[in-house]
Amino acid sequence: DVKVTQSSRYLVKRTGEKVFLECVQDMDHENMFWYRQDPGLGLRLIYFSYDVKMKEKGDIPEGYSVSREKKERFSLILESASTNQTSMYLCASSPWAVTIEAFFGQGTRLTVV
Amino acid sequence: KNEVEQSPQNLTAQEGEFITINCSYSVGISALHWLQQHPGGGIVSLFMLSSGKKKHGRLIATINIQEKHSSLHITASHPRDSAVYICAVGDYNNDMRFGAGTRLTVKP
Repeated sequence: DVKVTQSSRYLVKRTGEKVFLECVQDMDHENMFWYRQDPGLGLRLIYFSYDVKMKEKGDIPEGYSVSREKKERFSLILESASTNQTSMYLCASSPWAVTIEAFFGQGTRLTVV
Repeated sequence: KNEVEQSPQNLTAQEGEFITINCSYSVGISALHWLQQHPGGGIVSLFMLSSGKKKHGRLIATINIQEKHSSLHITASHPRDSAVYICAVGDYNNDMRFGAGTRLTVKP
């Protein structure tokens, strides 16, 4: 059974903290994505990676960074969490093209207080 | 204007009704996905299509490439179909663009 697993379902962090969101996929997919989902705005791409150590900015990369040291793991880092980063974060993976198929994690609801 | 527009934003139906959710897009696409998100956040891919029609159980998805439009139909709707349905398009740059979602509530 294919799986994209995010390390936490719910997180509460304080303003200014460094936050790590982890995502692991077991399908040997090349592409991995981080999105945030906000009411009325849908899913917006933060960063994606098409290979180990490769990354590309998405639509809203400000305030975030990513790390992909291994093919199966893609980490999203909030360098200094702020309240406007309170959101649902979704990780996804796909084979070499999203025209093939895409799989999503269960989401991490992050609250920054 | 969003590149992917869904309608309606919210939909309430009685159990057994036929449901239609629409998606229009303005970019060139390689494929279109219909996703289902249940309370709690997890997203499941229902369909991926690039032409024609696909059917899985009570769910039917159609796409008209010329009109840049897709529909998701649910026949004999059931309360367990209550979820947010999201249309997403994959473009030629390997990017996915998402609609804002349609919140469906099916009442018994």
